[in-house]
Amino acid sequence: GNSVTQMEGPVTLSEEAFLTINCTYTATGYPSLFWYVQYPGEGLQLLLKATKADDKGSNKGFEATYRKETTSFHLEKGSVQVSDSAVYFCALETSGSRLTFGEGTQLTVNP
Amino acid sequence: EAEVAQSPRYKITEKSQAVAFWCDPISGHATLYWYRQILGQGPELLVQFQDESVVDDSQLPKDRFSAERLKGVDSTLKIQPAELGDSAMYLCASSEDRVGKLFFGSGTQLSVL
Repeated sequence: GNSVTQMEGPVTLSEEAFLTINCTYTATGYPSLFWYVQYPGEGLQLLLKATKADDKGSNKGFEATYRKETTSFHLEKGSVQVSDSAVYFCALETSGSRLTFGEGTQLTVNP
Repeated sequence: EAEVAQSPRYKITEKSQAVAFWCDPISGHATLYWYRQILGQGPELLVQFQDESVVDDSQLPKDRFSAERLKGVDSTLKIQPAELGDSAMYLCASSEDRVGKLFFGSGTQLSVL
């Protein structure tokens, strides 16, 4: 079946540090891949997406590249801010627009 | 900016009672989803509607859960009877074009005592 595995959290960084949150997936076919973010007290928001191998999604300084050979979609940001503190979810979409989410990674950025 | 509306924001109930959650998607969004998010885990799809029709309810515990979207707009998710293990956040989401860009509401936090 389809599944998404994220690095274990929580992750705590200082402001301006480099961020990597690992995500690997198992799926049949060629799924689209997503990163969603959930700020405290809010619903999930789409952060970025990639629909085919070697695509790079980017938004708000975050990037992730669809790596088919390693079945990965790691999230990166060069310099995090306190306002980036949130829970980040990796997800894949298979046929019928059904999303399968990873368990989420809590990020805390300290000033 | 248009949002997905959910109510109530919080619900506390005793086991064996019935509970209902309401969702109003973004206007014009044909696809509506109900997800359940247990603390510390990612959301899991319960049911997906395309207009008023159910297109995926394979993970919905149909002995106690039901969902409807009678006019293809707002939707109600019901649990009867509630069990302790149903305590979770229930998220509603809608989508316009079925390509993975979902808009989520803030959710209903259910506590079953």
